[in-house]
Amino acid sequence: KQEVTQIPAALSVPEGENLVLNCSFTDSAIYNLQWFRQDPGKGLTSLLLIQSSQREQTSGRLNASLDKSSGRSTLYIAASQPGDSATYLCAVYTSGTYKYIFGTGTRLKVLA
Amino acid sequence: EPEVTQTPSHQVTQMGQEVILRCVPISNHLYFYWYRQILGQKVEFLVSFYNNEISEKSEIFDDQFSVERPDGSNFTLKIRSTKLEDSAMYFCASSVGPEMSNQPQHFGDGTRLSIL
Repeated sequence: KQEVTQIPAALSVPEGENLVLNCSFTDSAIYNLQWFRQDPGKGLTSLLLIQSSQREQTSGRLNASLDKSSGRSTLYIAASQPGDSATYLCAVYTSGTYKYIFGTGTRLKVLA
Repeated sequence: EPEVTQTPSHQVTQMGQEVILRCVPISNHLYFYWYRQILGQKVEFLVSFYNNEISEKSEIFDDQFSVERPDGSNFTLKIRSTKLEDSAMYFCASSVGPEMSNQPQHFGDGTRLSIL
């Protein structure tokens, strides 16, 4: 049964710092992995999707990497800004299923 | 860019009442999903639906829940007799399918369901 873990659970950093959010999963047989952003009380905004055959994806200041064999993904945020404050969710689509399994998220606060 | 739309954005219902949450998936998508997120908890899968059949469902999706695609555009989640613990944000998603590996699921903004 796929389990997805995210560490740290919460993170508070000063503006301008580069930071790394971690996601680990127990079953490496995946179709893809997606990183989402969620603002309080709001929906899910897709940030990056990495296919199982890919190593990384980049969008602006965001870079996501995938090491399928070790069951890990990282989301790198460069030059963090207060507007990046949100909860970041990792979701894994396991082969042979029809669903994403979500991690519990990392709650990020970027201080001005 | 096409979006998944959900209505209503907030639904307040008395315990024991039936509730229907509505979703309009992206028009060329073939797979449809419901997820829920209880306040402060992780997003949990409820059910996936393809070709007018349930493809997969979780333990949460018991006999109180049902899904339907009543016409060519809507996808609904019905909760027959709501309980307090059904209070959550419900997300609808859709994807192109059936080739799953390179196509993401697109999520709606959610319906916040409050059971009194």
